[in-house]
Amino acid sequence: QSALTQPASVSGSPGQSITISCTGTSSDVGGYNYVSWYQHHPGKAPKLMIYDVTKRPSGVPSRFSGSKSGNTASLTISGLQAEDEADYYCSSYTSSNSWVFGGGTKLTVL
Amino acid sequence: EVQLVQSGAVMKKPGESLKISCQGSGFSFTSYWIAWVRQMPGKGLEFMGILYPRDSDTRYSPSFQGHVSTSADKSISTAYLQWTSLKSSDTAMYFCARRGAGGTADTFDLWGQGTMVTVSS
Repeated sequence: QSALTQPASVSGSPGQSITISCTGTSSDVGGYNYVSWYQHHPGKAPKLMIYDVTKRPSGVPSRFSGSKSGNTASLTISGLQAEDEADYYCSSYTSSNSWVFGGGTKLTVL
Repeated sequence: EVQLVQSGAVMKKPGESLKISCQGSGFSFTSYWIAWVRQMPGKGLEFMGILYPRDSDTRYSPSFQGHVSTSADKSISTAYLQWTSLKSSDTAMYFCARRGAGGTADTFDLWGQGTMVTVSS
């Protein structure tokens, strides 16, 4: 199972919006509505931000939203804040009854 | 507090064995699958395998089958990831993660802080 493809880095200024893409195949992202997004501040435990493509766990700000079109899922963060600076990973359930993750995207808040 | 707490960083030599741990608290440990995820230096996350502590049902990613093993001690709500013969390529951060239940069954809703394993002669 090949890793999902994410951009290595994205950046934005406070208050702006950014979108991180996550491209897979019909055997994972395109085949299931089971895409998740995780926020990881190095040295800390990763945190679930979005699951089932569009759902937010309790406590996650509404600034975080998810979507999917075909084999590509996206995470959008609107109204960027300094604390959003982190690494973001997507994942998807797969046809092999397993999970695959993306390579990660480093978000820099300028 | 609902959390997964992992054992501390460790340094080993090639060929040595190792067992790292992941202890759950604040939830019914035996009601959730616990996954292990690898992050090699500068790389993304990789799913290694997943264990159901209640009956030790385990599924491995083909990439890791035969090189690592997982187990659990229900009495202390702890899952383990074990190597019998480490390689330098095992140098990585290892995370445990709880697979959600019910409506979140296809995601990992709780993560440990990670255990850094360094294998060097």
